[in-house]
Amino acid sequence: DTAVSQTPKYLVTQMGNDKSIKCEQNLGHDTMYWYKQDSKKFLKIMFSYNNKELIINETVPNRFSPKSPDKAHLNLHINSLELGDSAVYFCASSQDLTTAGELFFGEGSRLTVL
Amino acid sequence: TQLLEQSPQFLSIQEGENLTVYCNSSSVFSSLQWYRQEPGEGPVLLVTVVTGGEVKKLKRLTFQFGDARKDSSLHITAAQPGDTGLYLCAGASNAGKSTFGDGTTLTVKP
Repeated sequence: DTAVSQTPKYLVTQMGNDKSIKCEQNLGHDTMYWYKQDSKKFLKIMFSYNNKELIINETVPNRFSPKSPDKAHLNLHINSLELGDSAVYFCASSQDLTTAGELFFGEGSRLTVL
Repeated sequence: TQLLEQSPQFLSIQEGENLTVYCNSSSVFSSLQWYRQEPGEGPVLLVTVVTGGEVKKLKRLTFQFGDARKDSSLHITAAQPGDTGLYLCAGASNAGKSTFGDGTTLTVKP
């Protein structure tokens, strides 16, 4: 059983389109995250949710809107895609906020904006 | 902003050699983690260190947390091709946030 699963694994789309990435974790964790990994492999936090409540919004453009329907799911919707949004987006979870450093990552969703 | 710098950025060695990767910051962290990431996959947690001066061993990997909890090192003994990957350190704050280092890409040639 995959612990943190995200779909789709690959996304290729045109500038200006809207796309969504879904994430689910079956670990029973309270806290979920979205990270962005750029072409230089640098991982940067975008959002974190704890029990469906937004905790961290790391100065991400308003075009990015996370949604957590329950604590096992955290989706990411991106409006009006730009070339600079091309990256690998990772969903992750941790048991709770006190163990925020011990992250379990999904396999990533590679977004390519043309 | 808490920054974590890793060195070296790239390392290419022969099987059987030893190596050390460093992770340095000017900030103090409540804990520090090391991850390994392979192509096409997400990072996988290797270890967490919490106490200043702490040393943890995981088979041929030895992790050390600096006394001041600002830096860490990862030492691999007798590297094997299976150790190839991107090694990432990350510092965790009490605010529930992890800041990642810029990574060390290790290639171990058979």
